[in-house]
Amino acid sequence: QVQLQESGPGLVTPSGTLSLTCAVSGGSIRSGNWWTWVRQPPGKGLEWIGERYHTGTTNYSPSLKGRVTISLDESKNQFSLKLTSVTAADSAVYYCVGSHSWCLYYWGQGIPVTVSS
Amino acid sequence: EIVLTQSPGTLSLSPGERVTLSCRASQSVSSTYLAWYQQKFGQAPRLLIYGASSRATGIPDRFSGSASGTDFTLTISRLEPEDFAVYYCQQYGGSSFYNFGQGTKLEIK
Repeated sequence: QVQLQESGPGLVTPSGTLSLTCAVSGGSIRSGNWWTWVRQPPGKGLEWIGERYHTGTTNYSPSLKGRVTISLDESKNQFSLKLTSVTAADSAVYYCVGSHSWCLYYWGQGIPVTVSS
Repeated sequence: EIVLTQSPGTLSLSPGERVTLSCRASQSVSSTYLAWYQQKFGQAPRLLIYGASSRATGIPDRFSGSASGTDFTLTISRLEPEDFAVYYCQQYGGSSFYNFGQGTKLEIK
């Protein structure tokens, strides 16, 4: 069973860069999953951020495109999220997810990130 | 862009009752691309149903999903105390790839 664990700073300053990492265990990052990030602002619903496949194919939400990068580190079996020029609107719980067959199968526990000075 | 509208926003029910949650798409959606998730307070969402009607691994058979045109439903045949949570439908497709409904909160009456 694939397990995911997010890590990274819980506080980011406005206009800075949010950087998170997701460690994958119980399976290879070169498996058939797309490696995905989803976020959830406090008290609100779910928002898909983007995904990357091990071949390098990447898809990003149009609303975040230009600010977001998802990368894979096969040597460490982990993947990462970078979101630049953050504002308070980017404060949320960020989930890393393994997806396939058009749905989000494996979820990390989530990591809360606050954008504040 | 397809919009998913879930109804009702909140449902107050008692354990043992049967419940049907609705998710309506603004345009045609293939059943293959429709999923349901359960999110308990303070936890990550969990996949319940994929392909509109297939239960994910480990999901009890009291959960079922169905589709009719642009209307999708999640039914819980007999509510258990652990079923009180927020439920989201999700559609794959379009420029945003994954779209979610706004959620239905199932609370104990």
